[in-house]
Amino acid sequence: DAGITQSPRHKVTETGTPVTLRCHQTENHRYMYWYRQDPGHGLRLIHYSYGVKDTDKGEVSDGYSVSRSKTEDFLLTLESATSSQTSVYFCAIQTGTGNTGELFFGEGSRLTVL
Amino acid sequence: AQSVTQLGSHVSVSEGALVLLRCNYSSSVPPYLFWYVQYPNQGLQLLLKYTTGATLVKGINGFEAEFKKSETSFHLTKPSAHMSDAAEYFCAVRVGGSEKLVFGKGTKLTVNP
Repeated sequence: DAGITQSPRHKVTETGTPVTLRCHQTENHRYMYWYRQDPGHGLRLIHYSYGVKDTDKGEVSDGYSVSRSKTEDFLLTLESATSSQTSVYFCAIQTGTGNTGELFFGEGSRLTVL
Repeated sequence: AQSVTQLGSHVSVSEGALVLLRCNYSSSVPPYLFWYVQYPNQGLQLLLKYTTGATLVKGINGFEAEFKKSETSFHLTKPSAHMSDAAEYFCAVRVGGSEKLVFGKGTKLTVNP
């Protein structure tokens, strides 16, 4: 069972403040992902990482940045939170290799921007 | 670019009835297909996946899905619904060589007693 934890699990913040969500894995999986989940939209990819300091954008990356300075940690930052970024954020790691690799998800971080 | 369409955002069945959740994909090359389930206030869990080989794939909790290339479909079925199957189900596709998994918008399954 891949160990993946997200923190914080719940956060309420105000518009314009910076927010950082953390994803931590206990194994050395190369690929890590940040998705957001919104009603009617399913899961949409924000950013992903394929190694330390190697990241790329997903389909909804505007307003978000990421960093991965260690294999086990993948940080998602909202530089200046907006109400449209109210969402549930899921981190995922890819287990297995290549095209058949599966995503294993964290429990989610619920962010409310007032 | 690949995409996934799940037909029906809500599906309601009676306990013991057949469950059929529809998923169609668009891809110019053979895809890798996945079904995930999400229970309330939890993350997503893998139900099953199709990579290559046998087109009928069996997953956990009695679910199975059949890859039909001619119909570009990967529908999820279960012969007899159980109350515990109530959840949201997501179809996802990855095109070979891509690190990205693209998800459909989800289908919420309700099971009535």
